[in-house]
Amino acid sequence: EAGVVQSPRYKIIEKKQPVAFWCNPISGHNTLYWYLQNLGQGPELLIRYENEEAVDDSQLPKDRFSAERLKGVDSTLKIQPAELGDSAVYLCASSEGPSRNTGELFFGEGSRLTVL
Amino acid sequence: AQSVAQPEDQVNVAEGNPLTVKCTYSVSGNPYLFWYVQYPNRGLQFLLKYITGDNLVKGSYGFEAEFNKSQTSFHLKKPSALVSDSALYFCAVRGPNTGFQKLVFGTGTRLLVSP
Repeated sequence: EAGVVQSPRYKIIEKKQPVAFWCNPISGHNTLYWYLQNLGQGPELLIRYENEEAVDDSQLPKDRFSAERLKGVDSTLKIQPAELGDSAVYLCASSEGPSRNTGELFFGEGSRLTVL
Repeated sequence: AQSVAQPEDQVNVAEGNPLTVKCTYSVSGNPYLFWYVQYPNRGLQFLLKYITGDNLVKGSYGFEAEFNKSQTSFHLKKPSALVSDSALYFCAVRGPNTGFQKLVFGTGTRLLVSP
């Protein structure tokens, strides 16, 4: 069974440029998460989707970050414009639906962003 | 609010010796607790969880953890460390105040196992 797939693995951009990350969760997983992981830190939740609905986006900086999960499967996280402080690893994870919230999250390998 | 604390940035242990990676939590009510491991340039991998029942839970790769409610701790342990266990370990918690929907991670502990 395929795991959570993320792309690109690495991205280097100039500040003020846009960037987008893509995530395809494990088949059948209704819940999708985007986490931000700064160097030497634990992951911090940016947004959580239940199917196509964003149910928790309280930590998403909405002035420059946006996300979508149009068909309730794969998802895109966008930053526009990027700032130097956005350099980090962006992790996508998925899990089975909310009725099974005892379950673990399955993570992708992450997208490492470097903003110059 | 819910949180976890991992008081050690790094733990060093010799191969073959037992290891402990510490975690304490803060939630209102009974928590769901998790351990994840992260190898270099990889995503996080689930190791084990405590939801209810026996305080000692066993997980992948020979790891286990003990839930201690009185000390609000969930320390990760392994009887005999391997060099390949060297990685970054994260404790995480879900609490009833968020309907157990929000998973909050600690800052991580780097485990270094020397040959």
